[in-house]
Amino acid sequence: AQSVTQLGSHVSVSEGALVLLRCNYSSSVPPYLFWYVQYPNQGLQLLLKYTSAATLVKGINGFEAEFKKSETSFHLTKPSAHMSDAAEYFCAVSASGGYQKVTFGIGTKLQVIP
Amino acid sequence: DTGVSQDPRHKITKRGQNVTFRCDPISEHNRLYWYRQTLGQGPEFLTYFQNEAQLEKSRLLSDRFSAERPKGSFSTLEIQRTEQGDSAMYLCASSTGTPEKNTIYFGEGSWLTVV
Repeated sequence: AQSVTQLGSHVSVSEGALVLLRCNYSSSVPPYLFWYVQYPNQGLQLLLKYTSAATLVKGINGFEAEFKKSETSFHLTKPSAHMSDAAEYFCAVSASGGYQKVTFGIGTKLQVIP
Repeated sequence: DTGVSQDPRHKITKRGQNVTFRCDPISEHNRLYWYRQTLGQGPEFLTYFQNEAQLEKSRLLSDRFSAERPKGSFSTLEIQRTEQGDSAMYLCASSTGTPEKNTIYFGEGSWLTVV
């Protein structure tokens, strides 16, 4: 079974500051890991995914995440926050084999302060 | 690629009524998923289809819920005798079958409010 834990349900950063959203995973098999973003009243949009290739994954909108097996982490970062980054972010995990049902964390709401 | 399409986007219904949601996946995606999301929570898996076969159902999917994908293309999710606890956003998603390309693409969701 797979699961993710997102540390911090709410994160506030100043515009231009570093964004760091934390995610730790648990998986009995090599995982695939994902970050999705959700804007109010909308569906989920994929930011980036890790599928066992490069451990540093670059995504859209300047976001990136690093897979650290020793720490079972997949934290999401962005060097400089923009007002448009305010949204809810979900970390998710699936098994690397089989049909890969995706299991989501509870989400982290990012607030960007002008 | 027109994306995953869901209909209706919003539905308000009285308790005890039946509702049906439709999902049209990205063309040629053979995998289709239904998730439910309540306020302040992440999406929770409900069920999964590979082509027309329903391969897994979550225990969250009570007997009042039924999902179909009759021709392996669009899918419907029906909720019978709705309860207030069914109020949530129902998300549909689709993906291809290859592991490397198994990115799950989500629709905009169907909001259900049971009054």
